[in-house]
Amino acid sequence: SQQGEEDPQALSIQEGENATMNCSYKTSINNLQWYRQNSGRGLVHLILIRSNEREKHSGRLRVTLDTSKKSSSLLITASRAADTASYFCATDAPGRLAFGKGNQVVVIP
Amino acid sequence: NAGVTQTPKFRVLKTGQSMTLLCAQDMNHEYMYWYRQDPGMGLRLIHYSVGEGTTAKGEVPDGYNVSRLKKQNFLLGLESAAPSQTSVYFCASSYGLASSEEQYFGPGTRLTVT
Repeated sequence: SQQGEEDPQALSIQEGENATMNCSYKTSINNLQWYRQNSGRGLVHLILIRSNEREKHSGRLRVTLDTSKKSSSLLITASRAADTASYFCATDAPGRLAFGKGNQVVVIP
Repeated sequence: NAGVTQTPKFRVLKTGQSMTLLCAQDMNHEYMYWYRQDPGMGLRLIHYSVGEGTTAKGEVPDGYNVSRLKKQNFLLGLESAAPSQTSVYFCASSYGLASSEEQYFGPGTRLTVT
């Protein structure tokens, strides 16, 4: 089954900086989603981008999708301490989502 | 709305014991899912349900059973717990097909099998 893989695995940045993380996948997709998980909590949906979209924005989040390279990126602008979390991409598979292993972001106040 | 709730939050079992994890959602979602999350492994789908009375196997179904007798509830059972089932278990639900809809997650159940 296809699975998103985030890169880099862990990222530490200063508050106010931008954070970028990438996700690659192996097979063609219809949609790609990004989720956030704060420590000890469940996942929270951030954004869904469809295969015919190249870029999508939601507040301080910007997601890009390059289907020719089978990759997506998530940019968080003007990071805050509250953005400290793990971020997962998820690609569509028959009847379900296939999650990547996650990308830990630490925002230092 | 409570969203997706899970009980219990924590549980310690001895090898061979059984238990049932309960997931409830109040959003009238058709689809419900059980995942396990292990360090460095991301989330892996155990079983899922596309509606009341239906269940299907996910990526890692062995050692687990599920039931969806009511639309709002999805139960995950471990008949004979093994240390390899030590994990954090998450329930999720969605209105439509998982691949095209966002999923709503519960807070998780941390299970330790000794």
